[in-house]
Amino acid sequence: QKEVEQDPGPLSVPEGAIVSLNCTYSNSAFQYFMWYRQYSRKGPELLMYTYSSGNKEDGRFTAQVDKSSKYISLFIRDSQPSDSATYLCAMSEYGNTPLVFGKGTRLSVIA
Amino acid sequence: DTGVSQDPRHKITKRGQNVTFRCDPISEHNRLYWYRQTLGQGPEFLTYFQNEAQLEKSRLLSDRFSAERPKGSFSTLEIQRTEQGDSAMYLCASSFGTFRARHYEQYFGPGTRLTVT
Repeated sequence: QKEVEQDPGPLSVPEGAIVSLNCTYSNSAFQYFMWYRQYSRKGPELLMYTYSSGNKEDGRFTAQVDKSSKYISLFIRDSQPSDSATYLCAMSEYGNTPLVFGKGTRLSVIA
Repeated sequence: DTGVSQDPRHKITKRGQNVTFRCDPISEHNRLYWYRQTLGQGPEFLTYFQNEAQLEKSRLLSDRFSAERPKGSFSTLEIQRTEQGDSAMYLCASSFGTFRARHYEQYFGPGTRLTVT
């Protein structure tokens, strides 16, 4: 079992839909959780950063962390074609240490 | 542009040749990370530095790989005697944080895509 599991998709939704992306993990020591967006052949771009459990909102994006279930989510409201990309979850134990990534979920938002 | 930069962006080499990649982090960042990403996978950690000290190397990093950050600024990653299995995107990231800091975001560069023929 990998430390971080993420459904690779692909996920296809119509423009304006609410998108839910999820990851599960096995290492209960993880405390720092991130979501990155990666366009094809580009480097990952940091979207959301969360410490410990709880919710964090930034514009159309909401990140949720449930440490008791070892489950994290990213919600995208009013999805746009420009949101079409691969979304990577990542996490670490001490923050300023190497990240462990999921495989990424490919998202297509259809106009 | 004050982001992480990497050079070259693409490298095609023949099996058995040596290659070297460069990463320039965000200027005030004291930590620098190298990751490798193959098609359909998330990035995998290779090694990282705090200033010029190499803190950890992944077991993915075979003896053919070496990384340096000689003055605590830019870093190089060298692969000797390249193999076809080394074909991947090599990503560099940087972060800044002290023991008391609570923000450790890692920012990635555009990557160097290596193709070994």
